[in-house]
Amino acid sequence: RKEVEQDPGPFNVPEGATVAFNCTYSNSASQSFFWYRQDCRKEPKLLMSVYSSGNEDGRFTAQLNRASQYISLLIRDSKLSDSATYLCVVTLNAGGTSYGKLTFGQGTILTVHP
Amino acid sequence: DAGVIQSPRHEVTEMGQEVTLRCKPISGHDYLFWYRQTMMRGLELLIYFNNNVPIDDSGMPEDRFSAKMPNASFSTLKIQPSEPRDSAVYFCASTDKKKEDTQYFGPGTRLTVL
Repeated sequence: RKEVEQDPGPFNVPEGATVAFNCTYSNSASQSFFWYRQDCRKEPKLLMSVYSSGNEDGRFTAQLNRASQYISLLIRDSKLSDSATYLCVVTLNAGGTSYGKLTFGQGTILTVHP
Repeated sequence: DAGVIQSPRHEVTEMGQEVTLRCKPISGHDYLFWYRQTMMRGLELLIYFNNNVPIDDSGMPEDRFSAKMPNASFSTLKIQPSEPRDSAVYFCASTDKKKEDTQYFGPGTRLTVL
């Protein structure tokens, strides 16, 4: 089983639609959670961190369910510019002076069309 | 801020040749990461450094791969000899762990081994 699994996608939605991505992780000791965005032939960039209480950034809402080891990303009122690959990322924070490495999901491709 | 700088951006070489990829992290960042991205395997961590010291190289595929960080502003990833299956996009990323968990990625080096 992969450490981080995402919806296979691709998602093709019209402008204005609401779309949700899901992600599950296998290691219950995972500490930090993120969504990254990667445009075609570009580098990944942080979209938002995911907190246990859930958090919102404009049209984007992220949720975390530690009991189910499940992360979600909701995009409301989709824009053409939202077209990208969305990567679910988790990390184990080893504590002390060590650093938990990021583990990336395979990514979900979103295409927003006019 | 110039961001993470990688060179070359594209590299085409023949099987058996030595390849050296270069990275300059964001000034002041104390962690540096090398990743590889392919369609089949997604984004994989190869190795990371803290204060120029390699911390975890468990992701390095085999002895043909080596990485160095001689100072805080420069790192190299070397493949010798290269093979066609090494063809991928190689990303370098850096972070200041004291401030945040997010990592900042460079634009990547697209490597093609013929």
